[in-house]
Amino acid sequence: EVQLVESGGGLVQPGGSLRLSCAASGFTFSGSSMHWVRQASGKGLEWLGRIRSRPNNYATGYAASVKGRFIISRDESQNTAYLQMNSLQTEDTAVYYCTRRSKDDSSGYYVAWGQGTLVTVAS
Amino acid sequence: QSVLTQPPSVSGAPGQRVTISCTGSSSNIGAPYDVHWYQQLPGTAPKLLIFGNSNRPSGVPDRFSGSKSGTSASLAITGLQAEDEADYYCQSFDSSLSASVFGGGTKLTVL
Repeated sequence: EVQLVESGGGLVQPGGSLRLSCAASGFTFSGSSMHWVRQASGKGLEWLGRIRSRPNNYATGYAASVKGRFIISRDESQNTAYLQMNSLQTEDTAVYYCTRRSKDDSSGYYVAWGQGTLVTVAS
Repeated sequence: QSVLTQPPSVSGAPGQRVTISCTGSSSNIGAPYDVHWYQQLPGTAPKLLIFGNSNRPSGVPDRFSGSKSGTSASLAITGLQAEDEADYYCQSFDSSLSASVFGGGTKLTVL
């Protein structure tokens, strides 16, 4: 069974940092592109970024809203993806989901989602 | 402002048919990149509903169907049931942004 389990959410002050983890199981992690998506309360889904698979050199890409502040990485030995969030702002308050992409290219879709982890940025 | 435009809400009575539109542009749906749809029940993570414009994953009832034409796509739900009450999102890829993009979401209310 495919599972994605996020952790690391919580309360952080504006300007602070937080690292989210996404533990994966039930599929070949090394061959999968992993993406992060967030959802503010009562709002829609926002794509944040991705890290491609090993054959694609673990290339990363980010949405304009988080580029330069967020960093996506992965640890193949732990089957885990990470989202490092720096310079957090109140508008970053949201539930953060990690997702597995069906294919590591532009035609892919999100076949699996984690349960989400809540990040609250407030003083 | 989402790159893909969906109506904020739609509604229908049990047993009826509803459609949800998703309008994009020449850099995403019209490029043409595939459109995918997700269903998000209250308090849960999104779930894949339609992939590759019109394909249903295993387990998704055939009451759900998708189509695409030009720079737009549609999700149709026939034989509406109370359990279909959820938020629905379309998703594609945008070559100008080099990013995955989502629609703003549509809340389906079953009357």
